[in-house]
Order: sequence, then C-alpha cells, then structure tokens
Amino acid sequence: LAKTTQPISMDSYEGQEVNITCSHNNIATNDYITWYQQFPSQGPRFIIQGYKTKVTNEVASLFIPADRKSSTLSLPRVSLSDTAVYYCLVGDLVGGYQKVTFGIGTKLQVIP
Amino acid sequence: NAGVTQTPKFQVLKTGQSMTLQCAQDMNHEYMSWYRQDPGMGLRLIHYSVGAGITDQGEVPNGYNVSRSTTEDFPLRLLSAAPSQTSVYFCASSYPGTSGKDEQFFGPGTRLTVL
Repeated sequence: LAKTTQPISMDSYEGQEVNITCSHNNIATNDYITWYQQFPSQGPRFIIQGYKTKVTNEVASLFIPADRKSSTLSLPRVSLSDTAVYYCLVGDLVGGYQKVTFGIGTKLQVIP
Repeated sequence: NAGVTQTPKFQVLKTGQSMTLQCAQDMNHEYMSWYRQDPGMGLRLIHYSVGAGITDQGEVPNGYNVSRSTTEDFPLRLLSAAPSQTSVYFCASSYPGTSGKDEQFFGPGTRLTVL
C-alpha cells in the first residue's frame, strides 16, 4: 500500500479556502486517492475520490498533478462546521478488498 | 435506510470478560470491516469480510474474532478483554471496488473501556 504523508494540523479563518496537501510518492498505477472527514465521536465520512487531474463535487475539489505523487484537497469558504480531521488514503479499487490505511490525518481548526 | 448500525454505543468491561460488538448494515454491501481508533491515532483495521462466510485478518487481529453468517451482520467478539483493547471501534461497509467510486460507510462507533 502506498504510504501517505499529510500535515498534522492546520488552522484557518472562517470564509477562507483551505488546501490540504497529501504526499504519496510511491503511488501505484491502479491506485485511486480518497479523502475522508471525521468529526469528534463520529465515524469517518467519504468526501471525494479521484485518479488524475481534477475532481469536484458539492463539498470539495481534489487536485491531482500529472505525476500523481501528491494530491490537494480544497475546501472552499470553510465554516466552523468544517472543523474536523481529514484523512488521505491511497489504494487500488479494481478487484478484491483494499486494506486501506488511515493515518493520523490532518486536524483542521476553523477559527471565527 | 439506517445505513451501518452498531451496538452498544458504550461498554465497560473487566479484564477477562468476553463480549460481542454488533454491526449491521442494510445496504446489501458485500464488504464489511472492523477498525479500532485509539487517542491521537488513525483507524487500524482489525478484521474484514468480503462476503458471507469469508473473513480475513487486518493489521491488528490479535484478541478478536469475527464471523459473517449473513450479508447484513458482522459481529466482533472479544474472548478475554484486556486493558489494551480500550478503544473506539468502528464498523464499515462498502461495495466491491470498481473503476469508479469506492466509498466506505461507517457506523457511529462503540466506545469500549476495559478495566
């Protein structure tokens, strides 16, 4: 499994755009990049997933450069309710169960 | 749909006691997993199942047993609880991976304390 590295914590003011970068230097050809969000006392929740270039949904955008050795989760205009831990995962989705690894994630604190 | 449900929400055990953490999903997912999360750490995979009757070990399986007799249920058994098993336990379910989206749905968790 490709190992991921992301900042342990980040602070941001309300209304700002937040970018969290994840490094995954040994990503394999078949690996996808997935981000989850976890609030205190809750299970993680899927945010977004991508393979290359850019993916956007109603919650976030995911930017993946051509070499795919890193990815950036972008949260537009964060609010206090976006305070959570964000996990970056890398794994092969094609065939078979994928033993994904949740690292310690990035703790995002949104400040009023 | 209720999604993934877990019972109990909280549990206190004494060392050596046994118990079963329950997990059920109503989304007809083939894959189910158990994770534990300790303070300041990410989630670590305990056991997983790719279908009824099929289970396998994850990263930290020692001290835990699982079985999968139906698609819906995936109980986690602690045969002889130890203080090191004090943790928050999450159950998750998902469809098999395809070339598209692969999303795990997590339950609300069970907070277990072993004295």
